[in-house]
Amino acid sequence: ETGVTQSPTHLIKTRGQQVTLRCSSQSGHNTVSWYQQALGQGPQFIFQYYREEENGRGNFPPRFSGLQFPNYSSELNVNALELDDSALYLCASSLIWGGATDTQYFGPGTRLTVL
Amino acid sequence: ELKVEQNPLFLSMQEGKNYTIYCNYSTTSDRLYWYRQDPGKSLESLFVLLSNGAVKQEGRLMASLDTKARLSTLHITAAVHDLSATYFCAVDRGSTLGRLYFGRGTQLTVWP
Repeated sequence: ETGVTQSPTHLIKTRGQQVTLRCSSQSGHNTVSWYQQALGQGPQFIFQYYREEENGRGNFPPRFSGLQFPNYSSELNVNALELDDSALYLCASSLIWGGATDTQYFGPGTRLTVL
Repeated sequence: ELKVEQNPLFLSMQEGKNYTIYCNYSTTSDRLYWYRQDPGKSLESLFVLLSNGAVKQEGRLMASLDTKARLSTLHITAAVHDLSATYFCAVDRGSTLGRLYFGRGTQLTVWP
């Protein structure tokens, strides 16, 4: 059984650019959630994807968007990058069953630096 | 919005000592999680607490949940250096939206 994987591990961009981060969910899981963790803070929920559709969204602007593919992997896209977007981006996979989301397992994260 | 508060935010303790980390949350929640994060690393799931009075133990760590008080504790017994990390509590509402609300984390340093 493979765990949650993310790519790339590190990324440096400049303001105004666009970035795509990728996540492969754990085997048997059907849901992917994305979180942003700024330095010294707890992770903040960006959105969740289930059955290839956005299943809920946190307090993030529309320039944060995502996709989920039939194999349950996912992408996070951020347009018009700002300095405050510099953070660790965590992907978590889980299984929705019985009307609830089971424990979320986190990937290793992508460290994004915006200059 | 659901708020999660942890205290202390920083904890420095000597090996062999005991201590407790507290996690309070603002509204009814179905589940509470404890995660560990090493510097520059991802989150490792430690415990999931599902009901009032739940207690779980793994090694030197024991977590408990009081849903009436909206309080969870993570108790550290006879700390060792390997426990040095940041510990987060997180809650969700148990719906199909598995949105986790995290505390700011407790940075634990265990010294000889």
